[in-house]
Amino acid sequence: SQQGEEDPQALSIQEGENATMNCSYKTSINNLQWYRQNSGRGLVHLILIRSNEREKHSGRLRVTLDTSKKSSSLLITASRAADTASYFCATDTTSGTYKYIFGTGTRLKVLA
Amino acid sequence: AAGVIQSPRHLIKEKRETATLKCYPIPRHDTVYWYQQGPGQDPQFLISFYEKMQSDKGSIPDRFSAQQFSDYHSELNMSSLELGDSALYFCASRLGQGGNTIYFGEGSWLTVV
Repeated sequence: SQQGEEDPQALSIQEGENATMNCSYKTSINNLQWYRQNSGRGLVHLILIRSNEREKHSGRLRVTLDTSKKSSSLLITASRAADTASYFCATDTTSGTYKYIFGTGTRLKVLA
Repeated sequence: AAGVIQSPRHLIKEKRETATLKCYPIPRHDTVYWYQQGPGQDPQFLISFYEKMQSDKGSIPDRFSAQQFSDYHSELNMSSLELGDSALYFCASRLGQGGNTIYFGEGSWLTVV
């Protein structure tokens, strides 16, 4: 099974609203990264949060990490139609393996 | 800044044929990952290399093989292609094996007909 699981799997909001996506993982991690993917395109790196960090901001993005709950959230504020995409979290584990595991993405649709 | 380069971007092959995908990592990146993403699916880890050695293996079929060369570029060879191999294949690279940001290429679309 996937290391990371995103929640919700699909989200539809109005432009200007905030979108929150959650990710849970199973094993201990070094860091967690969020990516965006437009349909049929490559994965664009959004933000990296290390295991000793609790919150990180980048523009309209805010990521939190709770290692005790093995979960992370991505908040996109003041969403725009251009934010419509799939969002994935991926984890770097400390388990000795060098896989880089993706969760089930959240398909975000922002309606104009 | 240079990104991860994948070629070809699109490839159409017939069943039972062979295909080779190439990946050129960001300069100085010594780790390469390969992923397969089927239509509407999430990226699935196939295989990774560090310093030209295989570092981990995921759900890569036995019909597939890959290697990393001395200049750190990597090739994914797929033989006896099946319809189910039709997917977007991503390559990603980073410096070192853990802790740094992983950057992805735009992917190579493989269609098996």
